[in-house]
Amino acid sequence: IAGITQAPTSQILAAGRRMTLRCTQDMRHNAMYWYRQDLGLGLRLIHYSNTAGTTGKGEVPDGYSVSRANTDDFPLTLASAVPSQTSVYFCASRLGTSGSNEQFFGPGTRLTVL
Amino acid sequence: GQNIDQPTEMTATEGAIVQINCTYQTSGFNGLFWYQQHAGEAPTFLSYNVLDGLEEKGRFSSFLSRSKGYSYLLLKELQMKDSASYLCAVRDSNYQLIWGAGTKLIIKP
Repeated sequence: IAGITQAPTSQILAAGRRMTLRCTQDMRHNAMYWYRQDLGLGLRLIHYSNTAGTTGKGEVPDGYSVSRANTDDFPLTLASAVPSQTSVYFCASRLGTSGSNEQFFGPGTRLTVL
Repeated sequence: GQNIDQPTEMTATEGAIVQINCTYQTSGFNGLFWYQQHAGEAPTFLSYNVLDGLEEKGRFSSFLSRSKGYSYLLLKELQMKDSASYLCAVRDSNYQLIWGAGTKLIIKP
């Protein structure tokens, strides 16, 4: 693995189903993030984790949950998917939470909820 | 509330110069970032400003005025591969990034 990976690349899901989007990074970054990107809107933060074992809510957390059991993995779970959760989901990571450290993004997961 | 404004779309000619503006109102300021995003791809980091002034990186430069809540990204000697969306983001008092909707830049030959 080089950098940050996400799986699946794309998914079509029936409403009401449970879905977990996977994110793994091998850069030993402390902070990780989940965003959704919708046409005409900026990236919106769903959940974040500043370090393994801790998580926090972002701007649009409802309907999503996360866990951070170790440094590398940060899965995002939709407990019961709804059509408004159709979006492109990006996972990102960052070495620390201050300074000029930029966020590195995974390739994204395109999710369609029908 | 927190707000970041960028033009939705801009068009420029190959070889020319283009300036993409970003104005912001956020709760606190801990730096401003510019990212490039090609269609269907992930955003990639371009520049970071935390102090007033100009930061230059090859063909790309970024300017910040904290008192005016204003930044711009300047792209020189435009190439076709510069066709992309350019995202402005401000790190707020909680050290989270607040993102603008992005500016789609179209380069014409």
